[in-house]
Amino acid sequence: EAGVAQSPRYKIIEKRQSVAFWCNPISGHATLYWYQQILGQGPKLLIQFQNNGVVDDSQLPKDRFSAERLKGVDSTLKIQPAKLEDSAVYLCASSSIDRGNEKLFFGSGTQLSVL
Amino acid sequence: GQQVMQIPQYQHVQEGEDFTTYCNSSTTLSNIQWYKQRPGGHPVFLIQLVKSGEVKKQKRLTFQFGEAKKNSSLHITATQTTDVGTYFCAGSNDYKLSFGAGTTVTVRA
Repeated sequence: EAGVAQSPRYKIIEKRQSVAFWCNPISGHATLYWYQQILGQGPKLLIQFQNNGVVDDSQLPKDRFSAERLKGVDSTLKIQPAKLEDSAVYLCASSSIDRGNEKLFFGSGTQLSVL
Repeated sequence: GQQVMQIPQYQHVQEGEDFTTYCNSSTTLSNIQWYKQRPGGHPVFLIQLVKSGEVKKQKRLTFQFGEAKKNSSLHITATQTTDVGTYFCAGSNDYKLSFGAGTTVTVRA
């Protein structure tokens, strides 16, 4: 079974620039999550999708972050404009049922450095 | 909101020794999950505990869920170099999963 695919693997940008990350979840997984993991910390949920609807985006900085999941499969996360404090690993995860009742499968992440 | 705390933040272990890492929640949990993240890798699911007082074992790893469902522990016996990494607990309440900051384990050969 193929895992969660993410790209790019690394990204270096300057502050105030824009950046986008892509995620392809495990086939058949209805729930998709984007997490931000700052060095030395645990993953912090940014947004959760159930199919193509948003379930939880309470911790997404909506003034600069946006995410979409068209057709309930692939998802993109965008930051515009980026700030220095956005430097982190952005992890995408998927699960077959609602979070809390099913384990999460994580992708390899995108390591973002904002200079 | 719900907070999940883990102690210790770092655990330096002599190969062959045992150690325990602890996870505490500010609220009662419906279940708790444990993940392991190797250096440079991504979190990988280890186990989920659902019942009060539940104990589960995976080879040298023993996971326990507290009676009040507010705390959990991971005990590793006879630590090996393959145990290196960061262990995260993630508590679920009201369908929200919150990760702790993790315990980073290093092993002295």
